[in-house]
Amino acid sequence: QVQLVESGGGVVQPGGSLRLSCAASGFAFSKYGMHWVRQVPGKGLEWVAFIRYDGSNTYYGDSVKGRFTISRDNSKNTLYLQMNSLRGDDTAVYYCSNRVAGGWFDNWGQGTLVSVSS
Amino acid sequence: EIVMTQSPATLSLSPGEGATLSCRASQSVSSSLAWYQQKPGQAPRLLIYGASTRATGIPARFSGSGSGTEFTLTISSLQSEDFAVYYCQQYNNWPPWTFGQGTKVEIK
Repeated sequence: QVQLVESGGGVVQPGGSLRLSCAASGFAFSKYGMHWVRQVPGKGLEWVAFIRYDGSNTYYGDSVKGRFTISRDNSKNTLYLQMNSLRGDDTAVYYCSNRVAGGWFDNWGQGTLVSVSS
Repeated sequence: EIVMTQSPATLSLSPGEGATLSCRASQSVSSSLAWYQQKPGQAPRLLIYGASTRATGIPARFSGSGSGTEFTLTISSLQSEDFAVYYCQQYNNWPPWTFGQGTKVEIK
């Protein structure tokens, strides 16, 4: 079955950087677009970034544009999120999700917590 | 950006009762609307897409309806495992993909 496993979260100081990874299995990773979505603990869901199946196009939410970079390595079935210039309001659980057939989020990983604090 | 507004914020119901959750879009999203369920400590789970199509493995007690700007998620008879937070999400105009703020269905 589809499995998405995020890693790379942790505590980082404001202004710091972190790279998240999402290891995918159970589906043809190289054929599908992938998203990152985040959730401040106790709050709602916020879409962060999307990358097309071949990496040809990327899209970002306004709150992360210019600071975060989404990428993928189809040879390793892995999605990445490079996060730079981190701020306190970036503190959240970050989920990866795949886009199989339409604009909805089909499957989700368990999430990885990023905490930005001095 | 399309803003999604859910109501009510909290729904207090007893097992066996029916639940009706609403989602409104700030402009038409046609039928490009999905619903998700999230339990504490878990990732969201896709319930409904295309406003009314159940995702694989979702019980028939969950149904979605609506189009344009007004949508409804109905749970016909609440089971203990249905008490959770529910989110709607539009994918008609993107980026960004946008979610509602959630409706919590709690045990009365």
